[in-house]
Amino acid sequence: EAGVAQSPRYKIIEKRQSVAFWCNPISGHATLYWYQQILGQGPKLLIQFQNNGVVDDSQLPKDRFSAERLKGVDSTLKIQPAKLEDSAVYLCASSLGRGPPGTQYFGPGTRLTVL
Amino acid sequence: SQQGEEDPQALSIQEGENATMNCSYKTSINNLQWYRQNSGRGLVHLILIRSNEREKHSGRLRVTLDTSKKSSSLLITASRAADTASYFCATAPLGGGGADGLTFGKGTHLIIQP
Repeated sequence: EAGVAQSPRYKIIEKRQSVAFWCNPISGHATLYWYQQILGQGPKLLIQFQNNGVVDDSQLPKDRFSAERLKGVDSTLKIQPAKLEDSAVYLCASSLGRGPPGTQYFGPGTRLTVL
Repeated sequence: SQQGEEDPQALSIQEGENATMNCSYKTSINNLQWYRQNSGRGLVHLILIRSNEREKHSGRLRVTLDTSKKSSSLLITASRAADTASYFCATAPLGGGGADGLTFGKGTHLIIQP
């Protein structure tokens, strides 16, 4: 079974530029999550989708971050404009999305460096 | 915000020894999960324990959960060099109307000395 796919794996940009990350979840998984992991910390949830609807975006900095999952499969996370403190690994995860909360499967992440 | 803390922050042991790491959390949970992360493979799910369970085993892993103390422990027996990684506990919230994003601790960095 193919895992969660993410691209690009690495991205270097200058502050105030924009950047987009792409995620393809495990086939059949209804729920998709984006997490931000700053160096030395655990991942922090940014947004959760159930199919193509947003379930939780309470920790998403909406002035600069946006995310969409238009057809309920792939998702894109965008930062515009980027700040130095956005340097982190952005992790996408998916889960079946049925029944009680279960295992989340993580992709390899996109490491973003903002200069 | 971080849910809680793993303890210790770093642990170095000899191969073959057992490793124990602890996790504390703050709110009511549906379940608690442990993940491993190393540079090569990203975050990998290890084990899930539900709030009505007290202990769970999976291979060389043993997890305990004490909801009265809001704490959990992960025991890795007969450690191997390949167990070198960071270990995170993560909690899934109780209720929430479908919002079940995980809240992670800061992790324990485990080093297995050959």
